[in-house]
Amino acid sequence: DTGVSQNPRHKITKRGQNVTFRCDPISEHNRLYWYRQTLGQGPEFLTYFQNEAQLEKSRLLSDRFSAERPKGSFSTLEIQRTEQGDSAMYLCASSSRDTQGANVLTFGAGSRLTVL
Amino acid sequence: AQSVSQHNHHVILSEAASLELGCNYSYGGTVNLFWYVQYPGQHLQLLLKYFSGDPLVKGIKGFEAEFIKSKFSFNLRKPSVQWSDTAEYFCAVTSLSGTYKYIFGTGTRLKVLA
Repeated sequence: DTGVSQNPRHKITKRGQNVTFRCDPISEHNRLYWYRQTLGQGPEFLTYFQNEAQLEKSRLLSDRFSAERPKGSFSTLEIQRTEQGDSAMYLCASSSRDTQGANVLTFGAGSRLTVL
Repeated sequence: AQSVSQHNHHVILSEAASLELGCNYSYGGTVNLFWYVQYPGQHLQLLLKYFSGDPLVKGIKGFEAEFIKSKFSFNLRKPSVQWSDTAEYFCAVTSLSGTYKYIFGTGTRLKVLA
């Protein structure tokens, strides 16, 4: 198991274009999270899945953002009609309960989006 | 609203100095608390966690944190920092009931001078 994998690592796009990021979680983890991080800020929650069900979505999340986890394995995050304010690092994390019963996140390396 | 506050945004220390990073949270109910670290060029990694039991928890690389429920605090400490501790540190909280969403603080950037 190589941990949480995210692709692409870096995406440069023009304003108005659509972009899609993919996350492959640790195989036995049933929860999958998407976060966004900008310079000088902590990770900001976007959404999370338990298996294939999207259980929570941030109220800050524009309707241009959509996430799926069709078979409860990998997930995609799509941003439509990108804006310069969408430029950020998009982080994926997965989790399951550890031996203590704590829900511990394991993060991927992130996908950096630059919107020109 | 649920929130996490980290008071120190930038900290500069010399090697062997002691470290304490503050973290306060606002979150109803029973919580799990975490410190994550991000070394330069690397992804976020778990440093330590509080789930239940002893409020003083020990993590990797000599770090520890104390959960003080009455103060809604979970401060990170290390008696003697090393140059390799240069990194960004994030405090996070999640609830034990209902949502499994994590809320993160804004982070503290630590620089240790050799």
